[in-house]
Amino acid sequence: KAGVTQTPRYLIKTRGQQVTLSCSPISGHRSVSWYQQTPGQGLQFLFEYFSETQRNKGNFPGRFSGRQFSNSRSEMNVSTLELGDSALYLCASSQGQTIGYTFGSGTRLTVV
Amino acid sequence: EDQVTQSPEALRLQEGESSSLNCSYTVSGLRGLFWYRQDPGKGPEFLFTLYSAGEEKEKERLKATLTKKESFLHITAPKPEDSATYLCAVQGVGAGSYQLTFGKGTKLSVIP
Repeated sequence: KAGVTQTPRYLIKTRGQQVTLSCSPISGHRSVSWYQQTPGQGLQFLFEYFSETQRNKGNFPGRFSGRQFSNSRSEMNVSTLELGDSALYLCASSQGQTIGYTFGSGTRLTVV
Repeated sequence: EDQVTQSPEALRLQEGESSSLNCSYTVSGLRGLFWYRQDPGKGPEFLFTLYSAGEEKEKERLKATLTKKESFLHITAPKPEDSATYLCAVQGVGAGSYQLTFGKGTKLSVIP
């Protein structure tokens, strides 16, 4: 059974640019969540989607956005990149709220 | 606001030396408490979900327990391959029920 797939694995961008990250959940999982992980703040919740609807959003600026497609695949977008956006971005999928969340390996974003 | 505090931040153990990791939490209503293991450069790997005080779960050398205010991850006779960062997360009910709130983790090093 394939796990959660995130692409690309590594990305280097310049300040002011925008970036799109992709996540393919485990087959049959309809919930997709995104998290940002940094050494200082740890894992912080960005947003969660279920059946193409955003159900919850974390405390991040509007530069961070996401969407989910009908096949449950999800993308997140960060516009006007800042140096502080450098982080590991993790996607997690789940069949149900308390069954458990399976994480992908993440996308390492470096902003220079 | 849900909060999770993990202690200690780092722990060095000799191979075979048992110990416990602590996760203290505050949440308006607990839907589930999750333990994950994370290796460098990888996404968190799911270990356990606990739902109510008094519940215990075991997997190989790991045992997780839950009270109304904290959870413990007991590691019995650890091996070097148990070295990783262990993350605790809570999921509340209500408005935050679609997100996990993580602690900053305990970095475990097991020395041969």
